Order: sequence, then structure tokens, then C-alpha cells
Amino acid sequence: GENVEQHPSTLSVQEGDSAVIKCTYSDSASNYFPWYKQELGKRPQLIIDIRSNVGEKKDQRIAVTLNKTAKHFSLHITETQPEDSAVYFCAASTGSSNTGKLIFGQGTTLQVKP
Amino acid sequence: ETGVTQTPRHLVMGMTNKKSLKCEQHLGHNAMYWYKQSAKKPLELMFVYSLEERVENNSVPSRFSPECPNSSHLFLHLHTLQPEDSALYLCASSRVAGEQYFGPGTRLTVL
Repeated sequence: GENVEQHPSTLSVQEGDSAVIKCTYSDSASNYFPWYKQELGKRPQLIIDIRSNVGEKKDQRIAVTLNKTAKHFSLHITETQPEDSAVYFCAASTGSSNTGKLIFGQGTTLQVKP
Repeated sequence: ETGVTQTPRHLVMGMTNKKSLKCEQHLGHNAMYWYKQSAKKPLELMFVYSLEERVENNSVPSRFSPECPNSSHLFLHLHTLQPEDSALYLCASSRVAGEQYFGPGTRLTVL
């Protein structure tokens, strides 16, 4: 089955710096790659996603890149702010049209120091 | 945020108890999911219901029993749990294969 590896497990940056989180997946049939942000004590929330027919997607300060050949995708946060501090999860989906099954990475705890 | 709700938010139970977790979605979605979130582990998918049929059961012990009476409601029935089952249980919903929206979770402690 699908396996998703996420690195690093913790990341500390200064406010204003960039942060990059990387994930690799094992199943070449995976075609949907969302990123979730989970603040302390709150539910995971989708922040950006990318499908396998696109190599890069950007939304303001966040961007995701996908390399299908290497089977890895990355989250880039620029101009980090203290409110970006949270746990970030990547996921990959190999679900058929009727399951939507997501396999999650282990999570990255991002700390943005003011 | 009221799209996906879960009750109770906190639950403490003994190993011999029987309890149920409830999830309700008001988003018009047709797929619902149960996840387990333990400390220092990734989100673990437990069950998937699509169009009210269970389409995924990730080798979950039989002491967890899901029920999906309609597309808006999902239950997780618990009985004879073990202390290692203590975790945050998250419900999510989506249009089939679309973005998943999570509920706030139930923090379960098994004594």
C-alpha cells in the first residue's frame, strides 16, 4: 500500500524566513496531494493541495511543488509569521473515484520565532 | 465552524464500558471517515464510508464498530477498549475523492 514519509519532524525558523517541508510517497498511482495545518488543540485544516497533472501551485505565501518522477512533493512557506506555527501534515491519495482514501505523513511541527 | 461536528469532545471510559462517538456533517458531502490521532504518530485512517457503504476498513480491531445510518451521520461504537486506544478520534467528510473537512475530534481516555 501507499506509504508517505515527511521531513523534517520539527522545524524552527525566524520570523520572515522561509520554511520548506518535504514528503515522499511510494505509490506512483497517487494523484492528489493535500497539505493540512493543525494548530494546537484544533482540527486539521486544508491549506493547499495539488493534483498530479500540475507541477506547482501557489496561494499567497504558500506554494506546493510536485515531482512525479521522483515521487516527492514539498510545501514552501515564505515570509513566515508567528501564526504559521503549527503542525503540518502532507497526504497522498490513491483512492479510486469512490473512496477518497488519504495516507498522511508523520507531521512537521513548525515553530516561527518572532 | 459548524460544518463537521463531533460529540462528545472529551470522553473518559473504563475498559469494560460501552460508549459511542458521534459525527455529523452539514456540508452535503457523501463520504465520511474516522481517523485516529495519537501522539507522535501520523493520522491513521480507520474507516471510510462512501454513499453510506463502508468501502475501507484498515485492519481496525473489532472493539471499534462504525455505523453510518445516512450520509450526514457517522458513529463509532466502542467496547472493551484498551489503554492504548486513548487518542484523539477525528471524523472527516468530503464529496467523494474531494477535499476532506475535519471535525474538532473527541479526546478519548481509556483507564
